[in-house]
Amino acid sequence: AQTVTQSQPEMSVQEAETVTLSCTYDTSESDYYLFWYKQPPSRQMILVIRQEAYKQQNATENRFSVNFQKAAKSFSLKISDSQLGDAAMYFCAYRSGRNTGTASKLTFGTGTRLQVTL
Amino acid sequence: DADVTQTPRNRITKTGKRIMLECSQTKGHDRMYWYRQDPGLGLRLIYYSFDVKDINKGEISDGYSVSRQAQAKFSLSLESAIPNQTALYFCATSDSRTGRGQYFGPGTRLTVT
Repeated sequence: AQTVTQSQPEMSVQEAETVTLSCTYDTSESDYYLFWYKQPPSRQMILVIRQEAYKQQNATENRFSVNFQKAAKSFSLKISDSQLGDAAMYFCAYRSGRNTGTASKLTFGTGTRLQVTL
Repeated sequence: DADVTQTPRNRITKTGKRIMLECSQTKGHDRMYWYRQDPGLGLRLIYYSFDVKDINKGEISDGYSVSRQAQAKFSLSLESAIPNQTALYFCATSDSRTGRGQYFGPGTRLTVT
C-alpha cells in the first residue's frame, strides 16, 4: 500500500520570503500522480499543483513549484514570495496511475500547517 | 457558482439518529468520492462511485451507506450516528479521462453528541 509522509507538522515563513514544505511517499508503482492541496481556515480543499511521475520537468503554478525527486520518492512544495493568504494546511497526496477501483483514490499525508508572519 | 456543493455545511445530531449528507456537482465528472477528515489523520476514503451503477466501499465504510442518484449527485448516509463519526466530510469529483486530480466540495462539519 502506498503511504505519504509529511514530517513537518508546522512551518512558519515571513511575508515575501520563500518556504519549502516536504513530502515523501512510498510506492512500488512507476506510474502515478502527486498533488499538493491547500486547506485554508475556510476548510475548502484547493488543488494547488500536480505532478505526473513520468514527467521529469518539475511542475510550476505561479508562485508555487515542486521539486520532484522520483528516485528518492520526494515531492516538496516551494512557495515563493509568500503572502498572508498562503497561510493554511497543506496536504501532499498520491494517486496511482492505474485509476481503477480503489487505486483511483487519493492517499493523503497528515498535513503541514503553514503560518505566514509580517 | 461552486462546481461541487455540499449540504448541509454544518450539522449537529444526536447518537442514534439517521443523517444524510448531500453532494452535487456541475463539473460533468463521472467519478465521485466521499472522504472523512479527522485531526492528525488526513483524509480517508469512505465510498466512491465511478458512475450511477458503480458504487464501491473505501477504506472506512462501516457505519456509512451511499446513493448515487444521478451522475451529478452522490449522498452519504449515517444510518445510526455515533460520536466517533464526528468529523469533517468531503465530497470530491474527478474525470476518469484525465489525471488532473480530484476537486473537493466545501465540506460538512458533522458533530454527533
